[in-house]
This record gives sequence, structure tokens and C-alpha cells, in this order.
Amino acid sequence: LAKTTQPISMDSYEGQEVNITCSHNNIATNDYITWYQQFPSQGPRFIIQGYKTKVTNEVASLFIPADRKSSTLSLPRVSLSDTAVYYCLVGVYRDDKIIFGKGTRLHILP
Amino acid sequence: DSGVTQTPKHLITATGQRVTLRCSPRSGDLSVYWYQQSLDQGLQFLIQYYNGEERAKGNILERFSAQQFPDLHSELNLSSLELGDSALYFCASSVVGGTGVEAFFGQGTRLTVV
Repeated sequence: LAKTTQPISMDSYEGQEVNITCSHNNIATNDYITWYQQFPSQGPRFIIQGYKTKVTNEVASLFIPADRKSSTLSLPRVSLSDTAVYYCLVGVYRDDKIIFGKGTRLHILP
Repeated sequence: DSGVTQTPKHLITATGQRVTLRCSPRSGDLSVYWYQQSLDQGLQFLIQYYNGEERAKGNILERFSAQQFPDLHSELNLSSLELGDSALYFCASSVVGGTGVEAFFGQGTRLTVV
């Protein structure tokens, strides 16, 4: 998997939009960008994946610029329940160990 | 519900003992991954199996071993347990033929060594 860099922690307030950016300068041509969410004492949960441009689902949006060297996870109108650790992973699963970095610890304040 | 089942949910045992953690992957998933997460620590990749064969190894101690059976369930064996082995142990399975890094995690087994 390609090396990724993301902020260690972020704070935001309920109702705000939160953007978490991940840098992945060494992304390979066939790599996908995947984000996971982990609540305390629970297993990580896959939330979104993309290859280029923009992907949106019921939980989040993922913005990927043309050079694909970074990506931004956007969480619209966060609530207290969005407090979690968010991990950015880049790669193709088949032959790679799925290695998680330290992630971004997001803390939503009332 | 991710479709990945881990048993038991909780386990308390004494130092020096041996335990077995079990994982049933999602239906059709051939890959199984094991992770260890200590208190306030990141997810440490231990080992991966694909269709019964060991595929990748991470920072797995020699006291730990795993296997994947013909029905694709997997077991993680931890022996000569030490206090520092207390952690959450997660199992994940991945999509066959998918793209990217799509893994589905179980709820974990919380191991407490006393």
C-alpha cells in the first residue's frame, strides 16, 4: 500500500461540514483510495472508496484531484456520533497487507 | 452488521495460558486478516490468509499462530500469554474480485490477561 499522511486529530462542531485531507504522493496508477471509520471498541467500517474525481454516498463524499496525490473526505453536517478515528488507505487489496496508519481522530463538540 | 463473526466477544485468562480466537468471514470472502489493537493504539496487522494459504505476515509474535480451514473460517492461537497481550483482536474478510482496499471487520474479541 502507498504511504499516506493525514492529520492526527481534528475538532469540529455539530452541524459543521468536516473535511479530512490525506496525502498520498506515491499513489500508483491502479491504486484506489479507501476511507474507514472506527468507533471506540469497534472494528473499522468501510465508508467510501474512489479512484478519481468525486464519489458520494449516503455517509460521505470523497474528492480526488486530477493528480490523485491527495484526497479529501467530506462529512456533511456532522453530529456527536461522528466522533471516531478516520483512516485513509491507498492501494489494491489483492496482494497487499491491509496496513492501517494512525488515522485522524475526529472529535465533534456540541 | 458486517457479516464477519468473531467468537468469543470477551475472554479473560491468566498469564501463561493459551487461547483460541475464531473468525467466520462473510459468505464468499476468501481472504481473512487478523489485527491486534491495544488500548489507544493503532491497528497492528498480524497475518492474512487467502483460501487456506498464508498470504502475508505482519508483526505477529512467534507465540501466536493462525490458520484458515477448508470452510474458510479462521482461528488465531495465542500461547504463553503475557499481560501485554491484552488487547482487542479483530478479524476482517475482503471482497473477492473487488477493487481497492475493501475489508469488512468483525466486532472483535477483547482479551484480558490477568
